[in-house]
Amino acid sequence: QKEVEQNSGPLSVPEGAIASLNCTYSDRGSQSFFWYRQYSGKSPELIMSIYSNGDKEDGRFTAQLNKASQYVSLLIRDSQPSDSATYLCAVSSGTYKYIFGTGTRLKVLA
Amino acid sequence: EAGVVQSPRYKIIEKKQPVAFWCNPISGHNTLYWYRQNLGQGPELLIRYENEEAVDDSQLPKDRFSAERLKGVDSTLKIQPAELGDSAVYLCASSLEASFHEQFFGPGTRLTVL
Repeated sequence: QKEVEQNSGPLSVPEGAIASLNCTYSDRGSQSFFWYRQYSGKSPELIMSIYSNGDKEDGRFTAQLNKASQYVSLLIRDSQPSDSATYLCAVSSGTYKYIFGTGTRLKVLA
Repeated sequence: EAGVVQSPRYKIIEKKQPVAFWCNPISGHNTLYWYRQNLGQGPELLIRYENEEAVDDSQLPKDRFSAERLKGVDSTLKIQPAELGDSAVYLCASSLEASFHEQFFGPGTRLTVL
């Protein structure tokens, strides 16, 4: 079983819609959760971090964490073509080590 | 504030040749990470430094890979000899402290081994 799992996609959504990206993890001791955006040929860029159960909003982005279900998600409201990228979920168990998922490729259709 | 700097950006070598990558973290960041990212995969940690000390190198293939961070600032990752399977993007990241979990990535070095 992979430690951090993401659907590789592509996830296609029309412009202006809500994109929902999901991530599950296997280590119940995980404490920190991150979403990175990676454009093709570029390095990962941190867009959200979340540490406690519930929702965390930043602009058009909302991260949701449910530790009981070992599930973290990222919602992107009013999706734009510029949001088209691969979104990486990263999980840290407190040993200061990130485990990355394989990423979900998002395509926002104009 | 300057971000994480890496060089070279691209490197093409033949198998069995040596190669080295350089990274300069964000000023004041004590923790430095080297990752390898294969196509279609997430980054995989190779080694983590706290200042000049390598505190997690469990994923580093020590028979051919080596790394150093002599003065606790910039770092070099070396492969000798390179193999075809080493073709990947090598990413450097830094964070203020290991407990300050947010990591910032450099642009990466794309290595092609022929």
